Amino acid sequence: GESVGLHLPTLSVQEGDNSIINCAYSNSASDYFIWYKQESGKGPQFIIDIRSNMDKRQGQRVTVLLNKTVKHLSLQIAATQPGDSAVYFCAETPGNKLVFGAGTILRVKS
Amino acid sequence: GAVVSQHPSWVICKSGTSVKIECRSLDFQATTMFWYRQFPKQSLMLMATSNEGSKATYEQGVEKDKFLINHASLTLSTLTVTSAHPEDSSFYICSAGRLAGGTEQYFGPGTRLTVT
Repeated sequence: GESVGLHLPTLSVQEGDNSIINCAYSNSASDYFIWYKQESGKGPQFIIDIRSNMDKRQGQRVTVLLNKTVKHLSLQIAATQPGDSAVYFCAETPGNKLVFGAGTILRVKS
Repeated sequence: GAVVSQHPSWVICKSGTSVKIECRSLDFQATTMFWYRQFPKQSLMLMATSNEGSKATYEQGVEKDKFLINHASLTLSTLTVTSAHPEDSSFYICSAGRLAGGTEQYFGPGTRLTVT
């Protein structure tokens, strides 16, 4: 498998603030991207996805932005809540498999 | 819908023994299942892709004789860690793809393996 980050960066936000989590992907051929949330000791949970023919997609409280020029994805969470505390991973799809990014720990302070 | 289960959720085994982990798609048929390994504070790394009725495709650096994968039906895939060693201790996660090509993947809850 491809090697990704050894130490996860941490983003600390105050409850009610907006969070922005960033991800750089590596493969120009990837045409589908997904954000996952992983709570401690659990499997990844789908949050939102976006195809390469789009640059923005909105869900409930979440927005994903895609910049193909610089191979960058971001996940915006509006009005962050304590329940949003988790590790967030982006994933790209070069071919028929998922390649996960390094992940970001989101800590929400009450 | 699209629920994936794993069994066991955690297991402790002695060094040198083998451990089998099951992955089941409960409410859909999975043409493809994927096995990932995740070490603490790290990302998920794909180990292998299995298609029902055929041999698994292993990622570079993953020993196929050590990590035996069987995908005998459209709802069940198993991963057997043979002759386990402490360095095999990890969180093993499976996912199942409902559509051909694996774009949509539904993840299981993971299995924590500890080898003593």
